[in-house]
Amino acid sequence: DGGITQSPKYLFRKEGQNVTLSCEQNLNHDAMYWYRQDPGQGLRLIYYSQIVNDFQKGDIAEGYSVSREKKESFPLTVTSAQKNPTAFYLCASSITKYQPQHFGDGTRLSIL
Amino acid sequence: QKEVEQNSGPLSVPEGAIASLNCTYSDRGSQSFFWYRQYSGKSPELIMFIYSNGDKEDGRFTAQLNKASQYVSLLIRDSQPSDSATYLCAVDAGGTSYGKLTFGQGTILTVHP
Repeated sequence: DGGITQSPKYLFRKEGQNVTLSCEQNLNHDAMYWYRQDPGQGLRLIYYSQIVNDFQKGDIAEGYSVSREKKESFPLTVTSAQKNPTAFYLCASSITKYQPQHFGDGTRLSIL
Repeated sequence: QKEVEQNSGPLSVPEGAIASLNCTYSDRGSQSFFWYRQYSGKSPELIMFIYSNGDKEDGRFTAQLNKASQYVSLLIRDSQPSDSATYLCAVDAGGTSYGKLTFGQGTILTVHP
């Protein structure tokens, strides 16, 4: 099946720990995105990548890092510097930056 | 700071009625506009997008764009209980920011039988 796969579905982070959220797509999309959603809020852009080996900061990049070594993969690391990481994390992709974005099922991150 | 504003609701309509959802945006140069539906606990699902002034229809859904007034709306005809969800408006400023969507906080729609 073609689509965007995020894993894990649920993730728990201990204080001082870095965690990595996986996002894989087999749609041959050039562009990939990471968003964060807090309860009752809209989505906020963390990082985006419009081509392999290139990525840009979004509106709330502090405390996060990404890589784009392969076209199909765009992992997000939530570092210990992110003091309020509890949120619903959503990965999206689009054919190019000009096309509509489609979302994976998301990862819920909580602090232990 | 680019802003996208939606009435958070909840908007309650009876089954079979027309639901009207509105969104205003601050960046006059914005190019692309999207409506996503998000069921509770799930990820957003794209239902409509519109680039030009006027109306765009797809089944029971109609998106309306007025760039001069900086608003975009979504009409849902013959509303069904299954339409009950949060509807997110997203705006792409275009230019060097293509792909960088700004989302509103969403409008909760409840369709009651």
